[in-house]
Amino acid sequence: ETGVTQSPTHLIKTRGQQVTLRCSSQSGHNTVSWYQQALGQGPQFIFQYYREEENGRGNFPPRFSGLQFPNYSSELNVNALELDDSALYLCASSLATYNYNEQFFGPGTRLTVL
Amino acid sequence: GEDVEQSLFLSVREGDSSVINCTYTDSSSTYLYWYKQEPGAGLQLLTYIFSNMDMKQDQRLTVLLNKKDKHLSLRIADTQTGDSAIYFCAETDGYALNFGKGTSLLVTP
Repeated sequence: ETGVTQSPTHLIKTRGQQVTLRCSSQSGHNTVSWYQQALGQGPQFIFQYYREEENGRGNFPPRFSGLQFPNYSSELNVNALELDDSALYLCASSLATYNYNEQFFGPGTRLTVL
Repeated sequence: GEDVEQSLFLSVREGDSSVINCTYTDSSSTYLYWYKQEPGAGLQLLTYIFSNMDMKQDQRLTVLLNKKDKHLSLRIADTQTGDSAIYFCAETDGYALNFGKGTSLLVTP
């Protein structure tokens, strides 16, 4: 059984650029959630995708957007990058929406915005 | 979102028990969780408790919930150096996970 994988591991961008982060969910999981973890902070919920539809969103601006594909993998897109977007971005997959009891996290993508 | 508060740092000696505390404000929380994060890694779910329970034990881990005071604790018995990590308390009312800032646990030999 393959766990949750994320790519790339690290990324450096400059302010104003756009970035796409990728997540492959655990086999059999149809729900993917994305979190932003700034240095020294707990993860903050960005949004959740269930069967290719956005199923809930945290307090993040529209320049944070996502996609989920038919194989349930997912992308997080961030436009017009700001310095404060520097963080560890985590994705998590589960078998059902808001099933946090069996939600598995990937290792994250470390984004640095200069 | 609602607030989840944790103490930032805890240091214990190997073999001792560790107790990590958490308070939350959302009275509609249905589940409460403890996650572990090791350096350079994602989050690992350690255990969780349903809001109508007072206690849950899972091997070396004991979770205590005081719903009246909105206080949650995680006790790690016989703490080992491999337990050194950041521990996050999180709650959900069924919509999204809301995390605290994490408690950094240092276990010294």
